[in-house]
Amino acid sequence: GENVEQHPSTLSVQEGDSAVIKCTYSDSASNYFPWYKQELGKRPQLIIDIRSNVGEKKDQRIAVTLNKTAKHFSLHITETQPEDSAVYFCAATLGWALTFGSGTRLQVQP
Amino acid sequence: EAQVTQNPRYLITVTGKKLTVTCSQNMNHEYMSWYRQDPGLGLRQIYYSMNVEVTDKGDVPEGYKVSRKEKRNFPLILESPSPNQTSLYFCASSLQGVDYNEQFFGPGTRLTVL
Repeated sequence: GENVEQHPSTLSVQEGDSAVIKCTYSDSASNYFPWYKQELGKRPQLIIDIRSNVGEKKDQRIAVTLNKTAKHFSLHITETQPEDSAVYFCAATLGWALTFGSGTRLQVQP
Repeated sequence: EAQVTQNPRYLITVTGKKLTVTCSQNMNHEYMSWYRQDPGLGLRQIYYSMNVEVTDKGDVPEGYKVSRKEKRNFPLILESPSPNQTSLYFCASSLQGVDYNEQFFGPGTRLTVL
């Protein structure tokens, strides 16, 4: 099956700074890469996703990049705000299965 | 309101006592799935179902059973729970599969096995 590795496990930034979370996947057949945000005590929610035929996608302060050759994708959050504090999960699909990374706890210091 | 519901939300049980966690969605979704969340391990897929009567194993299926007799329901069954199944469980559904489809998660079920 697919294996997704995510780094760092924790990330602390000052409000207004940028945050970058990186993931790698193992199976080149994976073709869809969503990112989920989980606030404390809440359920995960999709924040952005990217298909394998796209190199970059942006939605306001959030962007995702994909390097298929390196099997690597990243989440970029600019101008971070306290409400961005949460756990972020990357994921990759392979067939009917969805494999998540281990998560990154982002703390935005006011 | 479109939603995924799970019951119970919290459960404390003892080793070996069979239990079922229910999951229901009202969005007419084809695909449903169960995950467990453990600290440092993220979300791991237990089982998934592509449609009624069609299920398959995820990454961590040992000790779990599922069934999909109706489109809206996807119960998770622990025949003989053990302490290593203590975890936070999420049910999720999507319109069709996982490719290009947002997963809608339920509120979670926190299970403790003593």
